[in-house]
Amino acid sequence: GQNIDQPTEMTATEGAIVQINCTYQTSGFNGLFWYQQHAGEAPTFLSYNVLDGLEEKGRFSSFLSRSKGYSYLLLKELQMKDSASYLCAVRKVNTDKLIFGTGTRLQVFP
Amino acid sequence: DAGVIQSPRHEVTEMGQEVTLRCKPISGHDYLFWYRQTMMRGLELLIYFNNNVPIDDSGMPEDRFSAKMPNASFSTLKIQPSEPRDSAVYFCASSLGPGAGGTQYFGPGTRLTVL
Repeated sequence: GQNIDQPTEMTATEGAIVQINCTYQTSGFNGLFWYQQHAGEAPTFLSYNVLDGLEEKGRFSSFLSRSKGYSYLLLKELQMKDSASYLCAVRKVNTDKLIFGTGTRLQVFP
Repeated sequence: DAGVIQSPRHEVTEMGQEVTLRCKPISGHDYLFWYRQTMMRGLELLIYFNNNVPIDDSGMPEDRFSAKMPNASFSTLKIQPSEPRDSAVYFCASSLGPGAGGTQYFGPGTRLTVL
């Protein structure tokens, strides 16, 4: 089986930096994805990590440590539009399906 | 380029009625996924197809749910008979497959309410 844990809610201030953590337990890990989902909308792809280390994409970065079963999504220079849910998802080897965590709801305040 | 297309966007029906949800994947994507999202259970995979063939339907809740993919550009998810507990947002997603990274792109979803 697989367990994926994320904090349920986080709050932050506009312009600040926030780190959203995701821990997972799985056999046969084959990649971790981060998706953003605004209320009432579909999830949209943010980042993908399959090797250890940091992947940077503009204001967003994602880190992976396979030995620790740990990832985080780092959001810099927060904007009000970053208020959304952030979903961590894990893929196992020999399958193409993603197992999603329950998501972290981020609220950004002025 | 058009993304994943789903219809209808909203569906309200009465318990016992048949519901059919439709999905058109991104052209050229070989993989198609059906998900259900609720507040209680989050985003759950129901079934996925590769080259129109169902690969894993272990997430389909029960025999009332069925999915088909008659060709590369169309899939349906059918619920018969529907029940109030089926109320959820149903997403369809498609991807090029793990060889190309496996990123899944989601459609806008169908919000289903069963009264």
